[in-house]
Amino acid sequence: GAVVSQHPSRVICKSGTSVKIECRSLDFQATTMFWYRQFPKKSLMLMATSNEGSKATYEQGVEKDKFLINHASLTLSTLTVTSAHPEDSSFYICSAVDKYWNTIYFGEGSWLTVV
Amino acid sequence: DAKTTQPPSMDCAEGRAANLPCNHSTISGNEYVYWYRQIHSQGPQYIIHGLKNNETNEMASLIITEDRKSSTLILPHATLRDTAVYYCIVGYSTLTFGKGTMLLVSP
Repeated sequence: GAVVSQHPSRVICKSGTSVKIECRSLDFQATTMFWYRQFPKKSLMLMATSNEGSKATYEQGVEKDKFLINHASLTLSTLTVTSAHPEDSSFYICSAVDKYWNTIYFGEGSWLTVV
Repeated sequence: DAKTTQPPSMDCAEGRAANLPCNHSTISGNEYVYWYRQIHSQGPQYIIHGLKNNETNEMASLIITEDRKSSTLILPHATLRDTAVYYCIVGYSTLTFGKGTMLLVSP
């Protein structure tokens, strides 16, 4: 069964609004979580790395004020897409790892459509 | 940039072994070799990972060359449900995805 869960799996929002995607580790405490973005027929692109209790580290070119990442607990990280635009429509995927850096598991992904 | 090179696509007959190669000539000493696969519109599924030694689990086997510059993922008896994009990734703290190999298993 899934050890990393994302919610919602699909969301449609209007331009200009904000939408939050949750990533939960179900069987372990995730000290580090990662957020990826994937466009159709393309590979996953790392957006940011978040460690529990500290600010996320964003990859070059990713707007930290637009993609707000919070990792307030050892089992939950959230990605908030603020002032969403149609070009933000994409497949967003999180992954999580425990403090021992055992296997890195991925969530099921969340489809965001901005209309 | 991804540190791995994989063929863009491969075909395999159902029931046969699928051998997926990966080159990672710049791998560092503490970097693991990970394999994931992604079926359309789903998150990547963990398959296997290793550091130096060959590894086997219920899904696959991972063969890593002695110099660690390349590896092979082996699916011993491919089924139609194994059709997916397979990603070979080297890393430790961050996983950077390349383009992967699209494996098509046919009847």
